[in-house]
Amino acid sequence: GNSVTQMEGPVTLSEEAFLTINCTYTATGYPSLFWYVQYPGEGLQLLLKATKADDKGSNKGFEATYRKETTSFHLEKGSVQVSDSAVYFCALSGEISNFGNEKLTFGTGTRLTIIP
Amino acid sequence: DAGVTQSPTHLIKTRGQQVTLRCSPKSGHDTVSWYQQALGQGPQFIFQYYEEEERQRGNFPDRFSGHQFPNYSSELNVNALLLGDSALYLCASSGTGRGTDTQYFGPGTRLTVL
Repeated sequence: GNSVTQMEGPVTLSEEAFLTINCTYTATGYPSLFWYVQYPGEGLQLLLKATKADDKGSNKGFEATYRKETTSFHLEKGSVQVSDSAVYFCALSGEISNFGNEKLTFGTGTRLTIIP
Repeated sequence: DAGVTQSPTHLIKTRGQQVTLRCSPKSGHDTVSWYQQALGQGPQFIFQYYEEEERQRGNFPDRFSGHQFPNYSSELNVNALLLGDSALYLCASSGTGRGTDTQYFGPGTRLTVL
C-alpha cells in the first residue's frame, strides 16, 4: 500500500536559516503529493502541492519538487521566520479517478521550531 | 466563503459511551473524509462519503460509522468508546472529478475518553 516517510523531528533552527524537511514515498501509479502545516491547537492547512513528476509546488516562500526518480518531495525554504514554527506533514493521495480524489496518506509529521 | 466547520470543538466522554461528531464541508464541495489524529502522529484515514454513501474506508473497526446528508454535511459516530479513541478528529472536504484532488481540513474535534 501507499506510505510516506518523513524526516524525524523535532527540528530547531535560527531565524533566517535554510530549511529542508525530507519526505519520501511509496505508491503505485502517479499520486499527488502535498505538504500540510499544523499550527498549535489548529487543524491542517494546505501549504503546497504537486500533481505530476517534476512539478514544483510553492507557497509563502516554501517549495517542493515532485521527484519520481527518487520518490521524494522534500520541503525547502530559503529563510525561515519565527512564524513558521509549526508541525509539517507530507502526504500523498492516490491517482485521481473520474470520481475525485483518493484518501490521503500522511507521514508522522516534523515539528519545526524557529528561534529568534 | 466559509471553510470546513466542525462541532463540537472539544468533547469528554467515558469508556463505553457513544459520540457523534459533525462536519459541514466547504461551499461547493460534495465529498467528506474523516481522519483520526492521535497525539504526536499524522492523521489516519477513517472513511470518505460521497453522494450519501461510504466510498472508501480505512483500517478502523465497525464501531466507527458515518453518515452524509443531502446538503453534504456529515457525521462521524463512534460506539463503545475506548481510551485509545482519544484523539483529534479531522474532517476534510473536496470536490469531485479531475483537478479536485485537494482536501481542505476543518479545525477538528478534540475527543477525550476517560
